[in-house]
Amino acid sequence: EAGVTQSPRYAVLQEGQAVSFWCDPISGHDTLYWYQQPRDQGPQLLVYFRDEAVIDNSQLPSDRFSAVRPKGTNSTLKIQSAKQGDTATYLCASSDRGYNYAEQFFGPGTRLTVL
Amino acid sequence: QQKVQQSPESLTVSEGAMASLNCTFSDGTSNNFRWYRQHSAKGLEVLVSIFSDGEKEEGRFTAHLNRANLHVSLHIREPQPSDSAVYLCAEGSSGNKLIFGIGTLLSVKP
Repeated sequence: EAGVTQSPRYAVLQEGQAVSFWCDPISGHDTLYWYQQPRDQGPQLLVYFRDEAVIDNSQLPSDRFSAVRPKGTNSTLKIQSAKQGDTATYLCASSDRGYNYAEQFFGPGTRLTVL
Repeated sequence: QQKVQQSPESLTVSEGAMASLNCTFSDGTSNNFRWYRQHSAKGLEVLVSIFSDGEKEEGRFTAHLNRANLHVSLHIREPQPSDSAVYLCAEGSSGNKLIFGIGTLLSVKP
C-alpha cells in the first residue's frame, strides 16, 4: 500500500512569493491533515479535512494561507506572499475514520525556506 | 489546552544499551498518546500508541503511561545506529488534533 506522498520535497522562495504544496493521502483515508513544523519544534496542526469539508482551520493564518481538498482525495496548501517566519517543514497526514484513536500516517514533508 | 514537554532535549547512548525518553503533559484526563520517530528523509513514523495506564510494547519499543503522574515514557531496547533520529511524543484527545512535544534527538553510537 502506498503511503502519503507530498510534492515538492523542497522549496526556496524570496519573501513575497507564492508557493503551493500538494498531498496525496493513503487511498481510502477520509481525513487529511496539514501540519507546520518549524526547525527544532514539534509539528503544529494548521488545518484538517474530513472528505472535502474543512473541520478545523483555527490555526491557519487565513490572510496568507489557504487549503483545499475539492474531491475529498488530494489536497493543496498554498501560501500567498510568503514571509521568513513561514520557513518550516510542511507535513501532510491522513487517517481512516477520523476519530480520536485513528492513527495518523505522515508523508515525508516539504521543506520550505523563505529568504 | 494540553501542553506536552519532552526530556532530555538530546540523548547519546551506546549501541545495545537501553534508551529512555520522557514526556510530561498537563491534562491528566487524556488517554491518547503516541510516540513517533522522525528521520529527516522519511517523515514521521508511529512507533507505539498507548490509550490506558500501564505498558504497551511494539517490538523493541515500550511505552509506559502514568496519568496520575502526568508522564509517558518510551524505552528502546537494544538500540542500533539506525535508530538515531528525533523522537516525538504526541497527545491526541483534542478532536483529532495531535499536540506534539519538541522532540528528543537520540544518537546511538556504535
